[in-house]
Amino acid sequence: QKEVEQNSGPLSVPEGAIASLNCTYSDRGSQSFFWYRQYSGKSPELIMSIYSNGDKEDGRFTAQLNKASQYVSLLIRDSQPSDSATYLCAVNGGGATNKLIFGTGTLLAVQP
Amino acid sequence: GAGVSQSPRYKVAKRGQDVALRCDPISGHVSLFWYQQALGQGPEFLTYFQNEAQLDKSGLPSDRFFAERPEGSVSTLKIQRTQQEDSAVYLCASSSRDMGGVYGYTFGSGTRLTVV
Repeated sequence: QKEVEQNSGPLSVPEGAIASLNCTYSDRGSQSFFWYRQYSGKSPELIMSIYSNGDKEDGRFTAQLNKASQYVSLLIRDSQPSDSATYLCAVNGGGATNKLIFGTGTLLAVQP
Repeated sequence: GAGVSQSPRYKVAKRGQDVALRCDPISGHVSLFWYQQALGQGPEFLTYFQNEAQLDKSGLPSDRFFAERPEGSVSTLKIQRTQQEDSAVYLCASSSRDMGGVYGYTFGSGTRLTVV
C-alpha cells in the first residue's frame, strides 16, 4: 500500500464549477499536509498547507483535513481553465528528516 | 538568488556516462532536499542535507547515486554509470527552517535527465 494515495484522474470539471481533489495517507503520526500544483513541464508549486483538523481557506482554495479518517482534500471554487494542472498531495513523513511523501497526483482539466 | 536554481535544465547522457546535477538553494536556507520524479509519478525523496550534513540518504536508489553539499550552500547530485531507469526529472528544494518538511518547501525548476 502506497503511503499517500490519490486518484490519478483526469478529473474534468466545467469552468466555474467546484473541483474536489482527494487524498488518503497511511501514517497516523503524520502532522503536516500539503497541496502542490504542477503544470506540465514545470516543477511543483506549494499552494496550501494544513496542520489541524477542519477547513483552511485561502482565496478560491479550501483544504480539508480529517486525521481520524486519514483524509485530506482540496476544493477549488469557481474553477478556471488556468487551474488545469496536476495536484500533488504531500504528507510529512516525520522522523529526523521531516521529508515529504508525495502521492502520484491528480490531473485536473477545467473545460471552458 | 530569488529562488532555487538548478543546472543544467536538460541533460542527455549516454548509458554508462557519469553526470553531475547542481542545485543552488535560496541564500541562507538550512535545509536542502533532492527528489526524483519519473514521468507520471509524484516526486520521490532521495536525500536531505541540513547545512553541510547529509542527515538522510535513505532514498538514494543505488550506490551509483551520490550527493554532497560541502559548504552548506550549493549541492551536487552525481550519478555514476547512468542507466535508462535513471531517466527522470531531478528536483531540488530548500527551506529556511531546520524542519523543512514541517512547513513545506520551494522547488527549483528541475533537471530533466534522459539516458539514451
